[in-house]
Amino acid sequence: DVKVTQSSRYLVKRTGEKVFLECVQDMDHENMFWYRQDPGLGLRLIYFSYDVKMKEKGDIPEGYSVSREKKERFSLILESASTNQTSMYLCASSSPGTGSNYGYTFGSGTRLTVV
Amino acid sequence: GESVGLHLPTLSVQEGDNSIINCAYSNSASDYFIWYKQESGKGPQFIIDIRSNMDKRQGQRVTVLLNKTVKHLSLQIAATQPGDSAVYFCAENIKSGTYKYIFGTGTRLKVLA
Repeated sequence: DVKVTQSSRYLVKRTGEKVFLECVQDMDHENMFWYRQDPGLGLRLIYFSYDVKMKEKGDIPEGYSVSREKKERFSLILESASTNQTSMYLCASSSPGTGSNYGYTFGSGTRLTVV
Repeated sequence: GESVGLHLPTLSVQEGDNSIINCAYSNSASDYFIWYKQESGKGPQFIIDIRSNMDKRQGQRVTVLLNKTVKHLSLQIAATQPGDSAVYFCAENIKSGTYKYIFGTGTRLKVLA
């Protein structure tokens, strides 16, 4: 069974801390994504990567950075966590041309609380 | 378990009945649409997709209808089961061939025994 694995289900961090959210996929997908999910809002794209060491800003990149040193791993970094970054973070991966499904395989999410 | 959204519209249906979940999409140029299911504490899961050159597509117990005239998408679930209880949301691909999607905020489906 193919998977996208996020290293933590729940995290509590203090304001100003540097936070790392890790995501690993075992499907050899080229594309990986980080979204945040907030009540009343649809998923919003933070960053995505279409290859190792490549990254593109999404719709809300401010306050975040990413790292993709290996194809299977995509890390989201909060340089200095703030309370408005309290959210559910979802990682996803995708590979173009996989049948009719051009959507994503999502991880289970990391619920981050910044206090 | 944790909730995906605290202020989502909710649809309550009796077990065994059919469910219809609606989505209004935003971009008339969108050419590909997906329905996702998200259970409490889990990530979204692909259910069914449809391209803009179709108006209906059927899967196992699910049907997606697309009305491009009014930019409306619906998900029909036949013989709704307790395991169908989840948040359902649609996604539209706003730029063909890219990963630019707009995601809906979702509808919570509650199945009553």
